[in-house]
Amino acid sequence: DTGVSQDPRHKITKRGQNVTFRCDPISEHNRLYWYRQTLGQGPEFLTYFQNEAQLEKSRLLSDRFSAERPKGSFSTLEIQRTEQGDSAMYLCASSLEAGVYGYTFGSGTRLTVV
Amino acid sequence: TQLLEQSPQFLSIQEGENLTVYCNSSSVFSSLQWYRQEPGEGPVLLVTVVTGGEVKKLKRLTFQFGDARKDSSLHITAAQPGDTGLYLCAGAPTGAGSYQLTFGKGTKLSVIP
Repeated sequence: DTGVSQDPRHKITKRGQNVTFRCDPISEHNRLYWYRQTLGQGPEFLTYFQNEAQLEKSRLLSDRFSAERPKGSFSTLEIQRTEQGDSAMYLCASSLEAGVYGYTFGSGTRLTVV
Repeated sequence: TQLLEQSPQFLSIQEGENLTVYCNSSSVFSSLQWYRQEPGEGPVLLVTVVTGGEVKKLKRLTFQFGDARKDSSLHITAAQPGDTGLYLCAGAPTGAGSYQLTFGKGTKLSVIP
């Protein structure tokens, strides 16, 4: 197992377009998290899945954001009608336990909205 | 809302020097984690501390969790250029129902050869 994989690594999109990111967690990890990180800030929580169930969503996750984890394996994060304020690094992480013992993060997807 | 304040925000030192970075909050956490992040990459977990007063060592890095589980420190002995990076602390909430880690803004460390 090579860790948490995220695709694409970089995405440049025009304002108003939709984008979708993919995350493949470590195979034996049933917990998956999405975070967003902007320049000079620490990662901010977006949402959490246990298997295929989305158990927690942040207030940061507006109606334009949707995340899925079909069959409890990979996950996708879609942003509709992108805005310049959506420009950030989107990080995916997975774990065996719910948050207490640390996460394995992917390398992230850097989104730039122009 | 749980907040974690990290200090200093930036630190530039010469190779071989010692340093300590701090992570403070008014909230109690069930555990606290330290990560290191390099530019363009995701954070990499260094250590998790769970018990108040706990001290963990990882080679030249020493991590301490405060007795009240509200704060933590990271001490690096004889810093090397390879220690350069952004050091993030993250707290896990107490109680059931929330799984979100709260991250600090990080300490950006530069070790000059």
